[in-house]
Amino acid sequence: KAGVTQTPRYLIKTRGQQVTLSCSPISGHRSVSWYQQTPGQGLQFLFEYFSETQRNKGNFPGRFSGRQFSNSRSEMNVSTLELGDSALYLCASTDRPGAGADTQYFGPGTRLTVL
Amino acid sequence: AQSVTQLGSHVSVSEGALVLLRCNYSSSVPPYLFWYVQYPNQGLQLLLKYTTGATLVKGINGFEAEFKKSETSFHLTKPSAHMSDAAEYFCAVSDNFGNEKLTFGTGTRLTIIP
Repeated sequence: KAGVTQTPRYLIKTRGQQVTLSCSPISGHRSVSWYQQTPGQGLQFLFEYFSETQRNKGNFPGRFSGRQFSNSRSEMNVSTLELGDSALYLCASTDRPGAGADTQYFGPGTRLTVL
Repeated sequence: AQSVTQLGSHVSVSEGALVLLRCNYSSSVPPYLFWYVQYPNQGLQLLLKYTTGATLVKGINGFEAEFKKSETSFHLTKPSAHMSDAAEYFCAVSDNFGNEKLTFGTGTRLTIIP
C-alpha cells in the first residue's frame, strides 16, 4: 500500500496570505490527524477528522481549520498567515479510529515558510 | 492532562555502545505509550508501542522499551548502536478515551560517534 502522501512538500508564503495543505491517507484509513512541528514548540496536535467530522481539536487559533472529504482525504487551511506559522505540518492516518492505541502512520510533511 | 518528559535533548553514544533514551509520562489514566523516530526531512516512523499486556515491548531495528508504572517511565534502549540510528526520537502518549490525539515529548537527538 502507498503511504500517507502530503502535498505540496514545500511552500513559501508571505504574511497575511492563506494556505491550503493536502493529505491523502493510506488506502482504507478513515481517520486523519494533523500536527504542527516547530523548533520552539515541538510537535503539537492540531485536529483529527473521521468520517468527515472533526472529532478532536488542539489549542490553536481559529485561523487554523481543516476538513475531510468522503474519500478520507483531508485538507488544512491557515488564513492570515503569521511568521510564527512557519513549521513542518505533518499528517497521520489510522485505520481503527477510536482505539487510541492504534498506530498512526505519518506522511513526510509539508514545510511551510512564511516570509 | 497528559504529558511526556524526555530527559536529554541531545545524546551521543559510540558505535556499538548501549543506547538509552529516557521518557517519563504523566497520565491520570492507564496510558498508551509510543516511541517514534524522525530522520532528517522525513515524517515520523513508529518504533514500538505499549498498550496493554507485556511491559517489555520490542520494536523495529533492535529497539525495545519497558513500561514501568511505578516509575511512570518508558525508556527506549538498544544494546548496540549503529550509525544508521542517528536521528531524532520522540516519546508520545495517548489516552484510552477513544481519540487519536498524541501528546509528544520534546524529542532527543541521538548522535552516533564512529
